[in-house]
Amino acid sequence: DTEVTQTPKHLVMGMTNKKSLKCEQHMGHRAMYWYKQKAKKPPELMFVYSYEKLSINESVPSRFSPECPNSSLLNLHLHALQPEDSALYLCASSQDRGRSTDTQYFGPGTRLTVL
Amino acid sequence: AQSVTQLDSQVPVFEEAPVELRCNYSSSVSVYLFWYVQYPNQGLQLLLKYLSGSTLVESINGFEAEFNKSQTSFHLRKPSVHISDTAEYFCAVTASGTYKYIFGTGTRLKVLA
Repeated sequence: DTEVTQTPKHLVMGMTNKKSLKCEQHMGHRAMYWYKQKAKKPPELMFVYSYEKLSINESVPSRFSPECPNSSLLNLHLHALQPEDSALYLCASSQDRGRSTDTQYFGPGTRLTVL
Repeated sequence: AQSVTQLDSQVPVFEEAPVELRCNYSSSVSVYLFWYVQYPNQGLQLLLKYLSGSTLVESINGFEAEFNKSQTSFHLRKPSVHISDTAEYFCAVTASGTYKYIFGTGTRLKVLA
């Protein structure tokens, strides 16, 4: 099973709302990633978790708050977002972080619209 | 630092024709190269990767790519495309000692009937 699942598929939220994105994998991977992808652009790395600990934060604004409750789950909590945060949010996982040969497996993404 | 260039933002091609999507990279250390495909409104799927060994790598759906160290390229080819190959294709590179993917800007392949 090489599947990464993400819920919800679509999310519309106002600038004052609080919402969460969820990502799950059952491949036994110990590294998980959040990416943001704007239309017609490549994915941009936001966060990396390794062994359930946040290891990389690519200078992401604090209105995005990641959480890794266990080795299979990754959440992204959203609060007070701006319209420019509207994008496709992709989750990925790989066997381990720090091995440049590891393949990252991506989920289908959550399409977020901020009104 | 590494960088990836995909010079063609769009490539239109007729069904059953051959196609080549270009990817060039720069790096001062050994690199590992990946091609991902993204169908509309979906996530990225790994097509193929070069880690070491044979410089020609193949995917299960007829794509192949050749690692050319002297030309610093990893072009993706398919001898005969189908309508279903219409998608965005991203080349990505990592390097020894790093974990982070450096993505190219993507090439939109549009297969015409």
